Amino acid sequence: GENVEQHPSTLSVQEGDSAVIKCTYSDSASNYFPWYKQELGKRPQLIIDIRSNVGEKKDQRIAVTLNKTAKHFSLHITETQPEDSAVYFCAASKKEYGGSQGNLIFGKGTKLSVKP
Amino acid sequence: DAGVTQSPTHLIKTRGQHVTLRCSPISGHKSVSWYQQVLGQGPQFIFQYYEKEERGRGNFPDRFSARQFPNYSSELNVNALLLGDSALYLCASSLYGGQGRDTQYFGPGTRLTVL
Repeated sequence: GENVEQHPSTLSVQEGDSAVIKCTYSDSASNYFPWYKQELGKRPQLIIDIRSNVGEKKDQRIAVTLNKTAKHFSLHITETQPEDSAVYFCAASKKEYGGSQGNLIFGKGTKLSVKP
Repeated sequence: DAGVTQSPTHLIKTRGQHVTLRCSPISGHKSVSWYQQVLGQGPQFIFQYYEKEERGRGNFPDRFSARQFPNYSSELNVNALLLGDSALYLCASSLYGGQGRDTQYFGPGTRLTVL
């Protein structure tokens, strides 16, 4: 089955710096890669996602890159702010043609701390 | 996203007891998935349901079961509770086959503590 590895487990940056979180996956059939942000005691919230037919996607300060050949994808946060502090999870799944998304396999998470 | 609701918010049970957790998906969403999140870990997939049928099952024992109702709400049942079942149980809803945007949106979760 699919296995998702996420690094680093903790990341501390100064406000205004960039943060990069990396994930690798094992199943070459995986084709959907979302990133979730989870603040303490709250639900995971989708911040950005990418599908396998795209190599990069940006949304303001957040970007995700995907390398299908190497089976890894990364989250990039620029100009970090204290409110970016949270645990970030990457995930992977296979979307069956004409079907549902399928279950998400999550990484173990990265605790990001942005120091003012 | 904010439309997925779960009840109860918190629950304390003792070993051997049974628990039922409930989830209502976002209006119009037909698929519900259940995840278990142990403290410090990522969510682990338990079940996925669509149109009242089980579409996927994770690596959990038969003590875990679920069902989906005609209104697309769902219940997760856990029998013979063990200490290791203590976790945050998350429900996620998604719109099946809708324009390829089957993003999963999570509910606030039910915090289960087994003593």
